[in-house]
Amino acid sequence: AQSVTQLDSHVSVSEGTPVLLRCNYSSSYSPSLFWYVQHPNKGLQLLLKYTSAATLVKGINGFEAEFKKSETSFHLTKPSAHMSDAAEYFCVVSELFVGQGGKLIFGQGTELSVKP
Amino acid sequence: SAVISQKPSRDICQRGTSLTIQCQVDSQVTMMFWYRQQPGQSLTLIATANQGSEATYESGFVIDKFPISRPNLTFSTLTVSNLSPEDSSIYLCSVGGGRTDTQYFGPGTRLTVL
Repeated sequence: AQSVTQLDSHVSVSEGTPVLLRCNYSSSYSPSLFWYVQHPNKGLQLLLKYTSAATLVKGINGFEAEFKKSETSFHLTKPSAHMSDAAEYFCVVSELFVGQGGKLIFGQGTELSVKP
Repeated sequence: SAVISQKPSRDICQRGTSLTIQCQVDSQVTMMFWYRQQPGQSLTLIATANQGSEATYESGFVIDKFPISRPNLTFSTLTVSNLSPEDSSIYLCSVGGGRTDTQYFGPGTRLTVL
């Protein structure tokens, strides 16, 4: 069965410095992987997704993630943090249904704080 | 991506009552999903709702507690029955499916049970 582990429950960075949010996954085959962001009192927004195309995936708001099969990792990065990036981030793996969409397995989330 | 709305956005309910949450999508979708997010926690799938068939529930969730309707391809409801304080959570619907597996989420319904 698929699973997702987010290695940090909380990450704090200064504005303008790089962001690294770590995610490891477990899957018996090549999975679909996602990063979602949840701002306070807001719904979930898709940041980016990996679906077996290019291993380096670019998303919205300057975020990107690299799929590394040998390390079973899908870490999220951004070169320069902005105050508006402060939010909860979820790494997600999809468990495929045959012929249909997938059941999503969520990591426990990483809270990103950005200091001025 | 689909535009998804949920009603109500939040509610405060008394113990023992029920709350029905509506999820409306601006386009026809095959699969709709209902998730629960308990305070300070991640999201857990409650059930998958396909139009024209019974919902499929995940382990730990039962139809008597979380009945779901899916009358057409743009609408679904989730009822949380016999409320207890432990049901205080955010409930989110999502839509998606297909080969890309991408799901898009509604804004959520914040339920507080007193």
